[in-house]
Amino acid sequence: AQTVTQSQPEMSVQEAETVTLSCTYDTSESDYYLFWYKQPPSRQMILVIRQEAYKQQNATENRFSVNFQKAAKSFSLKISDSQLGDAAMYFCAYRSNSGGSNYKLTFGKGTLLTVNP
Amino acid sequence: EAGVTQSPTHLIKTRGQQATLRCSPISGHTSVYWYQQALGLGLQFLLWYDEGEERNRGNFPPRFSGRQFPNYSSELNVNALELEDSALYLCASSLGGWVTEAFFGQGTRLTVV
Repeated sequence: AQTVTQSQPEMSVQEAETVTLSCTYDTSESDYYLFWYKQPPSRQMILVIRQEAYKQQNATENRFSVNFQKAAKSFSLKISDSQLGDAAMYFCAYRSNSGGSNYKLTFGKGTLLTVNP
Repeated sequence: EAGVTQSPTHLIKTRGQQATLRCSPISGHTSVYWYQQALGLGLQFLLWYDEGEERNRGNFPPRFSGRQFPNYSSELNVNALELEDSALYLCASSLGGWVTEAFFGQGTRLTVV
């Protein structure tokens, strides 16, 4: 079974600074997706960024980028120019792409990000 | 376009009672996923429905059950409620199981007293 570990329960960053959230995962599969989701106080999970395991290039979405190290099974999220609206719980998630009944997300326990003005 | 909607927003039940939670997916989405988010435990996968069929089930007891209706909306039923069932229950929908992007609703906060 796949597992996702987020070793930082809480992180804080100053507005306009850069912060990196860590995520490691364990799997024996070679075809999968990794995600970062954001959950603000409104509770709604919002997809931040997605990475396909077969793509060597790290995904980027505006101020959000990832460092995907497949051999090390590491998937960190970098937030540049942090804004007050980035404050939220961030979840790392894994999804198999092997088909069948495996289309479910496995989440880490989350990292609570605080942005200080 | 309406997003994933869940009802009720909050639900308070007594231990031993039954709870029914509802989810309406985005129009055109056939897959519905249910997750439990208990304090300190992250999100745990509960159930996946696609085209009216249960496709996968997480490691939860049988008193957690559900169904998907012909219009692809879904119901999650929790029988014989226990205090540990208190959690935020999130529903997500996608165009199909193979589609990577799932959209989440705002959840139902279930409190068991």
